[in-house]
Amino acid sequence: GAVVSQHPSWVICKSGTSVKIECRSLDFQATTMFWYRQFPKQSLMLMATSNEGSKATYEQGVEKDKFLINHASLTLSTLTVTSAHPEDSSFYICSARDSEASGSLPGELFFGEGSRLTVL
Amino acid sequence: AQSVTQPDIHITVSEGASLELRCNYSYGATPYLFWYVQSPGQGLQLLLKYFSGDTLVQGIKGFEAEFKRSQSSFNLRKPSVHWSDAAEYFCAPRPLDSSYKLIFGSGTRLLVRP
Repeated sequence: GAVVSQHPSWVICKSGTSVKIECRSLDFQATTMFWYRQFPKQSLMLMATSNEGSKATYEQGVEKDKFLINHASLTLSTLTVTSAHPEDSSFYICSARDSEASGSLPGELFFGEGSRLTVL
Repeated sequence: AQSVTQPDIHITVSEGASLELRCNYSYGATPYLFWYVQSPGQGLQLLLKYFSGDTLVQGIKGFEAEFKRSQSSFNLRKPSVHWSDAAEYFCAPRPLDSSYKLIFGSGTRLLVRP
């Protein structure tokens, strides 16, 4: 099946620094990727839709200047948490849609393994 | 407004017992429906999906789910639970538009007694 890789799988940073998380589709092209955030023992909350070659679409309440998303190629989207604070500590998960899969059924998304961010 | 409800936060079953996890949705039109499983600290794995047709769908790991339009439900079942099934389960409808945005339920944590 299609593989989505996230890097790093975990990261610890100091408050006030910026952290970049990568989401790669390894064996397919993805014009659209999604970023989710998951707090401990909670569900996944959609943060934004990442569109290759254009600006990301953010969900209501998500600060676009704090969570910078770049989708510069068909296989890579990055999420940068700027000026991170302890309340940004969370599990970040990306998903991707195979944009060229003609046989792909609607709504087939592939998820990365997640990236755990801890801000001290 | 579109919403999904998983009424059970925790469920504990004995190994070998049957399992049913509930999912109800509220959408203008029947959405596409998915069940995902998440082991601790891990990403998501797709268990099964419903798009149309046969209302009883089979998934991986012996799971199945039944779509009931009249009840707006898509409950997940397994006839005999294994200890390795202990995990968090998420129901996720997706509207019929082209956004591909999944909205996740609050999740149900399954605990399995030996």
